Amino acid sequence: DAGVIQSPRHEVTEMGQEVTLRCKPISGHNSLFWYRQTMMRGLELLIYFNNNVPIDDSGMPEDRFSAKMPNASFSTLKIQPSEPRDSAVYFCASSLGTSGRVQETQYFGPGTRLLVL
Amino acid sequence: AQKITQTQPGMFVQEKEAVTLDCTYDTSDPSYGLFWYKQPSSGEMIFLIYQGSYDQQNATEGRYSLNFQKARKSANLVISASQLGDSAMYFCAMMEGADGLTFGKGTHLIIQP
Repeated sequence: DAGVIQSPRHEVTEMGQEVTLRCKPISGHNSLFWYRQTMMRGLELLIYFNNNVPIDDSGMPEDRFSAKMPNASFSTLKIQPSEPRDSAVYFCASSLGTSGRVQETQYFGPGTRLLVL
Repeated sequence: AQKITQTQPGMFVQEKEAVTLDCTYDTSDPSYGLFWYKQPSSGEMIFLIYQGSYDQQNATEGRYSLNFQKARKSANLVISASQLGDSAMYFCAMMEGADGLTFGKGTHLIIQP
């Protein structure tokens, strides 16, 4: 079975440019999560969706960040305009998302390493 | 206050020895789950083991076991018979309700031959 797929795996861009990160969750999973990992702040939850609906976006750092999930098999995280402090590894994860009060294992994609110059 | 605390930034362990990685947590939600993930130098996040707050028995998965002490709010990971391939960062994480994961800062484990 294919795991969570993320693209691109590496992205180098210049400050001010728009960056779009993509994620395909595991087929049949209803919850999708975006995390960011930096040396300074560790792993942080940015936003998560359940059945394509954003449930909690309180971790999104600024209005420059936006995320969408137009269908069950695709999500994007967009940064516009990008800044050097956005440099990080961005992970997408998915879980079954079958119940509102049951903890389900999240499976992570390989991550996108973003460098903003 | 930190929700997940991992007090060991780094550990060196001899191959074949057992390893205990510490994790304490803080929550007032009666329904929560505790997870351990492994992150090797290649960067991926690998799920290892899960313990639910209502589980009566400690979770085990092969060489991994979770020493769950609810009253002390600790969820230590035990790796038996360590191998060179166990060298990696290990993250403890908590899920309250069905929300996202809150991670600790991690422990860098190095297995020495």
